[in-house]
Amino acid sequence: DAGITQSPRYKITETGRQVTLMCHQTWSHSYMFWYRQDLGHGLRLIYYSAAADITDKGEVPDGYVVSRSKTENFPLTLESATRSQTSVYFCASIQGTGTDTQYFGPGTRLTVL
Amino acid sequence: RKEVEQDPGPFNVPEGATVAFNCTYSNSASQSFFWYRQDCRKEPKLLMSVYSSGNEDGRFTAQLNRASQYISLLIRDSKLSDSATYLCVVLYNNNDMRFGAGTRLTVKP
Repeated sequence: DAGITQSPRYKITETGRQVTLMCHQTWSHSYMFWYRQDLGHGLRLIYYSAAADITDKGEVPDGYVVSRSKTENFPLTLESATRSQTSVYFCASIQGTGTDTQYFGPGTRLTVL
Repeated sequence: RKEVEQDPGPFNVPEGATVAFNCTYSNSASQSFFWYRQDCRKEPKLLMSVYSSGNEDGRFTAQLNRASQYISLLIRDSKLSDSATYLCVVLYNNNDMRFGAGTRLTVKP
């Protein structure tokens, strides 16, 4: 019972590099989300997806790209990493409406030097 | 002004104490409300949903006041294992969830 997994768990990269964070869920949940968590800000939604090939911007989408070719995968790409993107990134999924529980992955700690 | 505001704490309480956390939200169109718990360096996990009539789950009681746009969480008989950060979460629409920055609780022996 893997649930929702993220990889890598830790990543250090340099300014300007492209980085892709992976998210995989085994429940066939329709909705998937990417959040970032920074001290003092709580979690902020970057992008979400209602189904395969359907994605939408969240609160802080600039500098990020997502895709969802398969229901179970929702990768997040930082096209040209900046120091301000140093954060903890959480992926989450939910079966249906927002009243259902969101299940979170273990997080990826990204440091941009 | 942040959309969801919480007192960051930290709250340091002895075992057995009762502690209350408050949260305010700015968007009156908010649909649903939750409390999540987050342990240090771990992912958030749903603690409980918050209903208009108020609801209880064991030692935990959640209240919602839509008129004042205010949510609360009461923990009775605190345990060491309750030490965590508690996140207030508000759902707007289409799964757009807004998180508070969290209130940190430490329960001491």
